[in-house]
Amino acid sequence: NAGVMQNPRHLVRRRGQEARLRCSPMKGHSHVYWYRQLPEEGLKFMVYLQKENIIDESGMPKERFSAEFPKEGPSILRIQQVVRGDSAAYFCASSPTTELKLAFFGQGTRLTVV
Amino acid sequence: GENVEQHPSTLSVQEGDSAVIKCTYSDSASNYFPWYKQELGKGPQLIIDIRSNVGEKKDQRIAVTLNKTAKHFSLHITETQPEDSAVYFCAASSAGGTSYGKLTFGQGTILTVHP
Repeated sequence: NAGVMQNPRHLVRRRGQEARLRCSPMKGHSHVYWYRQLPEEGLKFMVYLQKENIIDESGMPKERFSAEFPKEGPSILRIQQVVRGDSAAYFCASSPTTELKLAFFGQGTRLTVV
Repeated sequence: GENVEQHPSTLSVQEGDSAVIKCTYSDSASNYFPWYKQELGKGPQLIIDIRSNVGEKKDQRIAVTLNKTAKHFSLHITETQPEDSAVYFCAASSAGGTSYGKLTFGQGTILTVHP
């Protein structure tokens, strides 16, 4: 059973471009969380999704950021018109239930905006 | 919302010594407190957790204590080994039962164990 797969591992974008980060949850996991980790800081909650539904997006910036978790395929975190301040490591975690103890994190996508 | 403070930010110990990392939280509704270990280039990995109905929990060389009254919890690693070197994060959540919860993380502690 493969772990939570995130790709790409590293992503470089110029200011103004779009960034698409993918998260394939573990088999049987229908709950996905996205977190952002700025340099030398802890992880900050962004959004929580269940299949086809956004349950809590209270940690997502109101503009330029969106997330989806379609019925088929990976969860996508999309950042439009990236700025330097978006440079961070983005982690997703998946879980088979709402039980946080059962959540596993992926290895993250490190986004660099130049 | 919840706020979690973690200290120290860096910790250096000799192999075989003990290491203690402390966290405080602000939301009295928080009832789940996990600790994560993050190695370079990897995602956080759950190493131990504690719920608010328990004061202490131990798993081999790792233990966690919780003081609900003072709103603080601590990670204790005994007989440290070089492979314990990593960044450690505490977190808190008000998740309970089947209610989902989101984690609020501390700032992290860089632990270095010298051989």
